[in-house]
Amino acid sequence: AQSVTQLGSHVSVSEGALVLLRCNYSSSVPPYLFWYVQYPNQGLQLLLKYTSAATLVKGINGFEAEFKKSETSFHLTKPSAHMSDAAEYFCAVSGSSGYSTLTFGKGTMLLVSP
Amino acid sequence: KAGVTQTPRYLIKTRGQQVTLSCSPISGHRSVSWYQQTPGQGLQFLFEYFSETQRNKGNFPGRFSGRQFSNSRSEMNVSTLELGDSALYLCASSTSTIRGNEQFFGPGTRLTVL
Repeated sequence: AQSVTQLGSHVSVSEGALVLLRCNYSSSVPPYLFWYVQYPNQGLQLLLKYTSAATLVKGINGFEAEFKKSETSFHLTKPSAHMSDAAEYFCAVSGSSGYSTLTFGKGTMLLVSP
Repeated sequence: KAGVTQTPRYLIKTRGQQVTLSCSPISGHRSVSWYQQTPGQGLQFLFEYFSETQRNKGNFPGRFSGRQFSNSRSEMNVSTLELGDSALYLCASSTSTIRGNEQFFGPGTRLTVL
């Protein structure tokens, strides 16, 4: 079985501030972890993924995430927020079913103020 | 390469009717997965197809069904629609069903049941 918990349904930051979106996972096998972003009325776009090659994963648009096995976490960060980062972010895990099926967290809405 | 396409983008139906949604994967992708997104339940996995065979299935009633054609295009059908079926239905394609494989999402079909 696998599950994902995203802490905070909404996170507000000022433009230029650090972005930190939290994700904790549970998996009975070594997990594959993903962060997706969803803009209004659009599908999901992959930001980055962890596949055990390196614990610090760099993605698109300046985002990165660090896999911490001891904390079962995969938090998403960006040093400086931009207005265009305002969107909903989803953490997901795959692996325990043996397929590429994704189990998603509930999502975190990132709000960026000028 | 063209991305995942879904048709129609918007659909309005009444309770008791049935509906068919279509998904065309990225060229060369043979795996297609379907997800339901609602404000209350978030993103939930419906089913995954590979080479015209259903490989994995989520926890949805039998009113939800799908199929995949020889060209990898997929359709999902919902019969006897209920108000709770109102959702964004997302299709994702991938090169295979191997766990950890990246899934590429389409823009979704917004279904409203009245």
